[in-house]
Amino acid sequence: RKEVEQDPGPFNVPEGATVAFNCTYSNSASQSFFWYRQDCRKEPKLLMSVYSSGNEDGRFTAQLNRASQYISLLIRDSKLSDSATYLCVVNEGNQFYFGTGTSLTVIP
Amino acid sequence: ETGVTQTPRHLVMGMTNKKSLKCEQHLGHNAMYWYKQSAKKPLELMFVYNFKEQTENNSVPSRFSPECPNSSHLFLHLHTLQPEDSALYLCASSQPGQGVGEKLFFGSGTQLSVL
Repeated sequence: RKEVEQDPGPFNVPEGATVAFNCTYSNSASQSFFWYRQDCRKEPKLLMSVYSSGNEDGRFTAQLNRASQYISLLIRDSKLSDSATYLCVVNEGNQFYFGTGTSLTVIP
Repeated sequence: ETGVTQTPRHLVMGMTNKKSLKCEQHLGHNAMYWYKQSAKKPLELMFVYNFKEQTENNSVPSRFSPECPNSSHLFLHLHTLQPEDSALYLCASSQPGQGVGEKLFFGSGTQLSVL
């Protein structure tokens, strides 16, 4: 049983496109949720936290649905620099569980 | 930079070697972690230290031996590794007790190749 599941992709989208990633988690007691971005051969970096009310940071919007136990990330007006792997992360106490990541390539 | 420094960036070792990975965080955090990332797999938690005490050992083989002398430093001692241990090893830290505010910050990772 996987704690966190993501569609691995790859997603190949043209510049300017809108793309959405989803993630599901298995433990309803999970406390906090995040999206991390990981570039090739680099460490994961926090992109944004995800709150039940939804939150937006520029072109990025994250949403949490506790009833359905899923998290989403929407990227609008995709840039070439958005190409990376996006990791869904769920926190349960002192444990952080990672999805396998969704690969995004933005094409010129 | 995230405030978590990890060395070396790359390491190639034979199966009979002994080496150590080093991690230092400058964020004032009290929890430190070792993760393993293999190709096409999610990050796997290896060890967790809270306030220098090991609170999690995720069934890691004994050829991996962690050491946490204080809240800012974390080591991973490696000996008699196997080729399947080749992976990216990531150190991370967080500040426990923040509830939904607790976040993980990663070092740059060590790309390990075992020959």
